[in-house]
Order: sequence, then structure tokens, then C-alpha cells
Amino acid sequence: GAVVSQHPSWVICKSGTSVKIECRSLDFQATTMFWYRQFPKQSLMLMATSNEGSKATYEQGVEKDKFLINHASLTLSTLTVTSAHPEDSSFYICSARDIGLLNEQFFGPGTRLTVL
Amino acid sequence: GQSLEQPSEVTAVEGAIVQINCTYQTSGFYGLSWYQQHDGGAPTFLSYNALDGLEETGRFSSFLSRSDSYGYLLLQELQMKDSASYFCAVSPGNTGKLIFGQGTTLQVKP
Repeated sequence: GAVVSQHPSWVICKSGTSVKIECRSLDFQATTMFWYRQFPKQSLMLMATSNEGSKATYEQGVEKDKFLINHASLTLSTLTVTSAHPEDSSFYICSARDIGLLNEQFFGPGTRLTVL
Repeated sequence: GQSLEQPSEVTAVEGAIVQINCTYQTSGFYGLSWYQQHDGGAPTFLSYNALDGLEETGRFSSFLSRSDSYGYLLLQELQMKDSASYFCAVSPGNTGKLIFGQGTTLQVKP
């Protein structure tokens, strides 16, 4: 089956620093990737849609200048949390849609971000 | 606005059958998906319904009624490993975007 990886799996950083999270589709090409945030015991909240070669589309209420998304290739999207604060601590999950399997999304293992 | 409703918790015993319902209100509808997520893990795809009716995949089945904006996930022959959170998710269009429900925590007891 299709595999999506994320790096790092967890990160602890100081308040005010920036953190970059990578999402890779390992064995398929993904023109579209999605970034979600999940707080403990809550649902996945879609943050943005990442399109290869173009600007990301952000959901209402998500600050595009704080959560920078770059989708430079068909297999890599990155999310940078800029000037992170404790309230940004969360589980960040990416997903990718295989061009040949449009009805199924494959999720990465997630990145646990803790901001001190 | 967009909203999905599903029960917050369900408890059942091993070997039993459990049904998790999902009702939705969205500005557009392309299909209903179901995902399973174990604690600390990534969501994994279970099933997808675009048309009315029942889709069966092994022990799991999913049903959709577009006229009622309603679907359900049916889990048969429950096993302890089925204890997890189950999310319904609506595709409001053909972009791949998913809007998730709040999730149902299923606890399977011996």
C-alpha cells in the first residue's frame, strides 16, 4: 500500500522558534497533500491544502503567515510553524492522495510538537 | 457551515456487532469516508461511499443514504484490536479535502 512518512516524529522547541515538518509520499506521486492538526482526544482539523507548484489553500481561521506550506515536488510538502508558542503544541498530521486512487487518502504517522 | 455528528463513545464485547452512525450537513457532498485511529497513531482508511447503499470489506461495512445525509459503519465479530477511534469524514468536493467528524471511541471488552 501507499506510504506517507513524516519527519520528525516528535519535536520539542522553545517559544519563539520555528519548526519545519516534512511530509513525503514514498511510493506514489501526490499532486495534493493536506495538513491537519489534532489536539488530544479531538478530531482532525484541516489546516490547509498543499498543491504542488502553487500556493497552499488555507482553511478559515488558519494564519498563513504562521503556518508556511511549501510543496516543491510531487513527493514532498513541508509545514513550517513560525514563531511557535505553547498553544501551537499539537499533533500535526499530513495526508496525500494518490493520483490513481482518488477516493482514498494516506496519512503520515504524525508529528508531535511541544512548545515550551 | 459544515458539521458531522457521531456518538462520542461506544462500548461492546468481543464477538459482537456494533454500528457507528454519522449524520452530516455540508455545503457540498462528494462522498463519505471512514477512518480508524489508534491512540497516538495515524488515521487509516476503512471505507468510502459515494453512492447510496452498503459497501462491504471483510468484517467492516459502511452504508450511505444521501437523501437522509446519513451513514454508518458496521463492525462485525469485534476483536480487542478494534478498540480505537473511528471518524466519519465528508468530501465536500472532488479536491480530496476531508471534513472530519468528532470521532467515536470504541471500547471492546472481553
